[in-house]
Amino acid sequence: AQSVTQPDIHITVSEGASLELRCNYSYGATPYLFWYVQSPGQGLQLLLKYFSGDTLVQGIKGFEAEFKRSQSSFNLRKPSVHWSDAAEYFCAARGNTGFQKLVFGTGTRLLVSP
Amino acid sequence: DAGVIQSPRHEVTEMGQEVTLRCKPISGHDYLFWYRQTMMRGLELLIYFNNNVPIDDSGMPEDRFSAKMPNASFSTLKIQPSEPRDSAVYFCASSLAGNYGYTFGSGTRLTVV
Repeated sequence: AQSVTQPDIHITVSEGASLELRCNYSYGATPYLFWYVQSPGQGLQLLLKYFSGDTLVQGIKGFEAEFKRSQSSFNLRKPSVHWSDAAEYFCAARGNTGFQKLVFGTGTRLLVSP
Repeated sequence: DAGVIQSPRHEVTEMGQEVTLRCKPISGHDYLFWYRQTMMRGLELLIYFNNNVPIDDSGMPEDRFSAKMPNASFSTLKIQPSEPRDSAVYFCASSLAGNYGYTFGSGTRLTVV
């Protein structure tokens, strides 16, 4: 079955430190991949997406993600975290043929310590 | 574009009452999705429409839930009668041709007491 796994429920990072959030997918073929961020009381905002091509994808707010086919992973990174990055982050995937529904991971809550 | 617009932002209702949540998708988007988010179950896709036609409602939990999309710019999710276990945040999202990431509304926080 198609699935997206985010192994970390919570992560705490010091402000200014680097961040990496993990995401693994299970699909028959390489899916389209997405990262969303949800701030408290808000909807989900698209950070970045990967369809094909360059495996390092740049997104908004200084985030980037790297697609690694061999590891079935699409990890999200940021070199220096700001307190305003505290939020919940969702990885999502969908099949790359026709229309297919997005499958979301369970989310990782990022806490930023002073 | 103002994005996906949902109303109301908050709804508190008594058990047994009818609740109607509203969504205005982004103009030109041809897919519309209704999601429910709870701590226990995370994000659940309830139903989605393509060109105003319901395509997959397998996520709708019970017959108490119904959704309509009378035109390209408006959709409703109705719960009748409501129960405390329906308390959740309900999101609407829209997408163009399904090829891009969905754009989410800010959600409706529903509390059934």
